[in-house]
Amino acid sequence: IAGITQAPTSQILAAGRRMTLRCTQDMRHNAMYWYRQDLGLGLRLIHYSNTAGTTGKGEVPDGYSVSRANTDDFPLTLASAVPSQTSVYFCASASGSTDTQYFGPGTRLTVL
Amino acid sequence: GQNIDQPTEMTATEGAIVQINCTYQTSGFNGLFWYQQHAGEAPTFLSYNVLDGLEEKGRFSSFLSRSKGYSYLLLKELQMKDSASYLCAILDSNYQLIWGAGTKLIIKP
Repeated sequence: IAGITQAPTSQILAAGRRMTLRCTQDMRHNAMYWYRQDLGLGLRLIHYSNTAGTTGKGEVPDGYSVSRANTDDFPLTLASAVPSQTSVYFCASASGSTDTQYFGPGTRLTVL
Repeated sequence: GQNIDQPTEMTATEGAIVQINCTYQTSGFNGLFWYQQHAGEAPTFLSYNVLDGLEEKGRFSSFLSRSKGYSYLLLKELQMKDSASYLCAILDSNYQLIWGAGTKLIIKP
């Protein structure tokens, strides 16, 4: 692994299903973030983690949950997907909360 | 409230210079970032400004005026590969990035 990876690349999901988006980084970054990107809007922060074992809510956290059991992984879970969660999801990491964020390749999620 | 404004789209000619503006009103200011995002790809870091003035990095330069809540990204000697969206983001008082909607730059030969 080099940098930050996300899985799956894309997914079509039925409404009401549970889904976990995976994010892994090998840069030993302390801070990690989940964003969603929708056409015509800026990236919006869903959840973040400043260090392993801690998480916080961003601008649009409803319907999503995260965990940060270790430094490398930061999964995002949709407990019961709804069509409004159709979006491109980006995971990012940074050395610290004030540092440059580096992005994973993204997951394109469609909820029908 | 928090607000970041960028033009939605700009067009420029290969070899020319283009300036992409960003104005902002945010709760606190801990720095301004510019990212480049090609269609279907992830954003990639271009520049960071925290003090007033111009930061130059090759063909790209970024300017900041904190008193005016204003920044611009200057791209020189435009190449076709510069066709992308350019995202302005502010690190606010909570050390969270607030993002503009991005400027789509179209380069014509």
